Amino acid sequence: QVQLQESGPGLVKPSETLSLTCIVSGGSISNYYWSWIRQPAGKGLEWIGRIYSSGTTNYNPSLKSRVTMSVDTSKNQFSLKLSSVTAADTAVYYCARVGGGYSYGPFDSWGQGTLVTVSS
Amino acid sequence: SYVLTQPPSVSVAPGQTARITCGGNNIGSKSVHWYQQKPGQAPVLVVYDDSDRPSGIPERFSGSNSGNTATLTISRVEAGDEADYYCQVWESTSDHYVFGSGTKVTVL
Repeated sequence: QVQLQESGPGLVKPSETLSLTCIVSGGSISNYYWSWIRQPAGKGLEWIGRIYSSGTTNYNPSLKSRVTMSVDTSKNQFSLKLSSVTAADTAVYYCARVGGGYSYGPFDSWGQGTLVTVSS
Repeated sequence: SYVLTQPPSVSVAPGQTARITCGGNNIGSKSVHWYQQKPGQAPVLVVYDDSDRPSGIPERFSGSNSGNTATLTISRVEAGDEADYYCQVWESTSDHYVFGSGTKVTVL
């Protein structure tokens, strides 16, 4: 059973860059897509983007100009960077695996989520 | 951009059937996935590819998709089914996932 764990600072200053890492255990990061999703308090889920183990990415058009994702297969982990953050980026951030064996499959495994607050 | 519309809330008595709709333009041509999220927890996949269930998900959870509406049906509702439910699709024209706004299911 694959497990995912988000890590990174819980507090980021406005205008700075949010950086999170998702460590994958219990399975290989290779040959899968991996996604980031966020959820502001009391609100719905928002897809941020995804990365394939080869490094190919797709981003939410609404966030594309500020998002960068990367993958490190040697460490079995992938990362998210979101630049120029504002209070509106305060949310619980989740990482997840795209399952189903195809590129538009469901998110079959999720991390527990990590709260990132943007505040000075 | 592609929009998925869900009712904000659905209320159902224990033992009855809850139906949660997810509306989208020609959604019947897409694969719809459904997630259950309880307070303070990460979402859990309950139905994928319109009507398939992951292992461990009770048969009480089922899905359908046709035309402009996908539906998640929860039969013989239990108190433990109280949660938020989200639908999701892949929008191929712009290569991104879209989530519905979510439906809060309350068990009376």
